[in-house]
Amino acid sequence: QSALTQPASVSGSPGQSITISCTGTSSDVGGYNYVSWYRQHPGKAPKLMIYDVSNRPSGVSNRFSGSKSGNTASLTISGLQAEDEADYYCCSYTSNNTVVFGGGTKLTVL
Amino acid sequence: QVQLQESGPGLVKPSQTLSLTCTVSGGSISSGGYYWSWVRQHPGKGLEWIGYIYYSGSTYYNPSLKSRVSISVDTSKNQFSLNLSSVTAADTAVYYCARASSASGKAEYWGQGTLVTVSS
Repeated sequence: QSALTQPASVSGSPGQSITISCTGTSSDVGGYNYVSWYRQHPGKAPKLMIYDVSNRPSGVSNRFSGSKSGNTASLTISGLQAEDEADYYCCSYTSNNTVVFGGGTKLTVL
Repeated sequence: QVQLQESGPGLVKPSQTLSLTCTVSGGSISSGGYYWSWVRQHPGKGLEWIGYIYYSGSTYYNPSLKSRVSISVDTSKNQFSLNLSSVTAADTAVYYCARASSASGKAEYWGQGTLVTVSS
């Protein structure tokens, strides 16, 4: 299975909004509403930020939102803060009953 | 609060089997409904899903690793384990264990990760 496609990097200034895309196929992203997003700070374990395309776990800021159109899912972070600077990974269920991650996107807060 | 902790050798020789254990606290591994997962991250690279075991014992593996991977559960110790055979330097990575509440990749709890280096 091939990794989902994410931009290598995105950047934004504090207070702005950014969107990270995650492109797959009809066998993963496009075929199921099972896309998750993780944030990972350097040297730390990933943290679940969005699940099932657009749901936020308890405790995650409503500045984080998710959506999907066709084979592409998106993560939007509004009101960008310094603490948002991290690597972000999308993740999808696949038709093989497996899971596949995206290559990751480095978010820089300018 | 559920906590997971990886343990195992930090150094493995090429061609040998990498074996890691994840100890779960704050919840029973046999309580049902969860997918006990392994994920790895090569140095400076992205996340790679290795596989998971459902509480019933069903296993699902990354197709690219399937021939070398085995995940098992020891309910008496509240642990689950990863075995990866015939390792090479390409298996050097930080290995994470995690608990997912569905097969969709929704993993709410993670261990801190353990670095395994494959070298002679």
